[in-house]
Amino acid sequence: AQSVTQLDSQVPVFEEAPVELRCNYSSSVSVYLFWYVQYPNQGLQLLLKYLSGSTLVKGINGFEAEFNKSQTSFHLRKPSVHISDTAEYFCAARSGGSQGNLIFGKGTKLSVKP
Amino acid sequence: DGGITQSPKYLFRKEGQNVTLSCEQNLNHDAMYWYRQDPGQGLRLIYYSQIVNDFQKGDIAEGYSVSREKKESFPLTVTSAQKNPTAFYLCASSIVGTGGSPLHFGNGTRLTVT
Repeated sequence: AQSVTQLDSQVPVFEEAPVELRCNYSSSVSVYLFWYVQYPNQGLQLLLKYLSGSTLVKGINGFEAEFNKSQTSFHLRKPSVHISDTAEYFCAARSGGSQGNLIFGKGTKLSVKP
Repeated sequence: DGGITQSPKYLFRKEGQNVTLSCEQNLNHDAMYWYRQDPGQGLRLIYYSQIVNDFQKGDIAEGYSVSREKKESFPLTVTSAQKNPTAFYLCASSIVGTGGSPLHFGNGTRLTVT
């Protein structure tokens, strides 16, 4: 069964610094990968997704993620964060070729300080 | 604008009472989902439905029930059998097809049972 591990539960960072939120998934022949963002007391919003093709995926709000098959990772990055990026971020995966359920990591809380 | 509406946003109930959470979507999606979110535990799947009048249990279905009488609606009932019902509940929907379809989320209902 698919599993997703987000290696950091909390990431504090100063405004305008770069950030990387780490995500590893269990190996599968093929996999679809997603990053979502959740602001306090709101639902989840899709940031970006990897289905196939280029391993570097660009999303909304200046975020990007890189699919690394050999390391089974899908880390999320932003070169310069803003206070407004403070939120919880979830990595999710689904085994390719199926409509199996989306498996979520436990989330990483990004806290951007002035 | 298409989207998912969850109501109410906050719900308070006494222990021993059943309570129903509403979820309506106008995205014309066939699949709908209910997740429970607790701090530090990510999202856990309660029930999902891929077609009207059919639904399947997720990972934590005990103490919950659902119905899918209309494509647009997927209400969740939290019964008195649910031991720890206080949580944030998220409804989502998606296209049924390839595994690359992302989930679209509502803004959640925060249920407090005392």
